[in-house]
Amino acid sequence: GAGVSQSPSNKVTEKGKDVELRCDPISGHTALYWYRQSLGQGLEFLIYFQGNSAPDKSGLPSDRFSAERTGGSVSTLTIQRTQQEDSAVYLCASSLDPGVKNIQYFGAGTRLSVL
Amino acid sequence: AQSVTQLDSQVPVFEEAPVELRCNYSSSVSVYLFWYVQYPNQGLQLLLKYLSGSTLVESINGFEAEFNKSQTSFHLRKPSVHISDTAEYFCAVNSGGYNKLIFGAGTRLAVHP
Repeated sequence: GAGVSQSPSNKVTEKGKDVELRCDPISGHTALYWYRQSLGQGLEFLIYFQGNSAPDKSGLPSDRFSAERTGGSVSTLTIQRTQQEDSAVYLCASSLDPGVKNIQYFGAGTRLSVL
Repeated sequence: AQSVTQLDSQVPVFEEAPVELRCNYSSSVSVYLFWYVQYPNQGLQLLLKYLSGSTLVESINGFEAEFNKSQTSFHLRKPSVHISDTAEYFCAVNSGGYNKLIFGAGTRLAVHP
């Protein structure tokens, strides 16, 4: 595809339900990042993938959050037992490789609302 | 630890006026600095970046930023803004290694006619 694709664009869920957010990076990009954008917290790093491995999960806020990447491509961020404080825009980005000079390209995000 | 401070949460300005969005960073290592722009209901787009070389970097739409090591700043400027520049602007520093970005809180630029 031409850019990073995220789905769904909007998700409304009830407190306590599980949700899955999907990210389809630019073809050929080996590095993939998840960020969260929320009021009061700004943009926070969640997790980084190189291929299918996640060398850095330090930004995941709790053990209710997990992510995986398969085939070195699509990634899924799963939030279990959602809480109201999980409401945010979840952004995915990819880059050709993790080198510092490589631009990260962002998707439009998934807006998660937990009622 | 690295951090980024954007001193202004909102900047209102009239069309065709100059604007400066301020960004300061803290880092104990070499830095790579970025400005991203987010238009309403869209993802972040890279506006410009400083990796090395000339401390003044420019974007294709008239923005520029200057890396000032002594003041640990990377302020964004434009001499004459347009209505279409209304957006949120994020300054970021990479953490080295695998390019994890640390973002500032963002500055909302509102251009009025």
